Amino acid sequence: ETGVTQSPTHLIKTRGQQVTLRCSSQSGHNTVSWYQQALGQGPQFIFQYYREEENGRGNFPPRFSGLQFPNYSSELNVNALELDDSALYLCASSLDAGDYEQYFGPGTRLTVT
Amino acid sequence: QQQVKQSPQSLIVQKGGISIINCAYENTAFDYFPWYQQFPGKGPALLIAIRPDVSEKKEGRFTISFNKSAKQFSLHIMDSQPGDSATYFCAASRETSGSRLTFGEGTQLTVNP
Repeated sequence: ETGVTQSPTHLIKTRGQQVTLRCSSQSGHNTVSWYQQALGQGPQFIFQYYREEENGRGNFPPRFSGLQFPNYSSELNVNALELDDSALYLCASSLDAGDYEQYFGPGTRLTVT
Repeated sequence: QQQVKQSPQSLIVQKGGISIINCAYENTAFDYFPWYQQFPGKGPALLIAIRPDVSEKKEGRFTISFNKSAKQFSLHIMDSQPGDSATYFCAASRETSGSRLTFGEGTQLTVNP
């Protein structure tokens, strides 16, 4: 059974640019959640995708958007990058939208300069 | 509004000692309380979780104590080992928000040999 994988591992972007982060969910899981973890902080919920539809969103602006594909992998897109977007972006998958247990990937470290 | 408050921010324990991390929550609708362990450069890993219908759950050296009336829960690590040195996060979730997790700020645990 393959765990949650994310790519790339690290990324450096310039303020104002756009970025796409990718996540492959654990085998058999149809729900993916994205979190932003600033340095020294707990993860903050961005949004969740269930069967290719957005299923809840946290307090993040519309320039944070996402997609989920038929194979349940997912993308997080961030437009008009700001310095404060520098963080570890975590993807978590769960068996179903109602399943409490979430399994996290290793994250993508985004640095905005 | 921070809905889950965690303390202490950092903790140093001697090998063989007991590590205790505390969390308090505000939203009485929360009905699932997990603890995650995170090593540097890795994503959070689910350690143990509890529902509010029980006051204690034990798995190996890890125990969650839950006090519903006080809206508090804690993680106890018995016989702490240097390999337990990591950052620990408490979190909370509620059924109506699916598997969306609200995290505490984290506790950096150091276990000295």
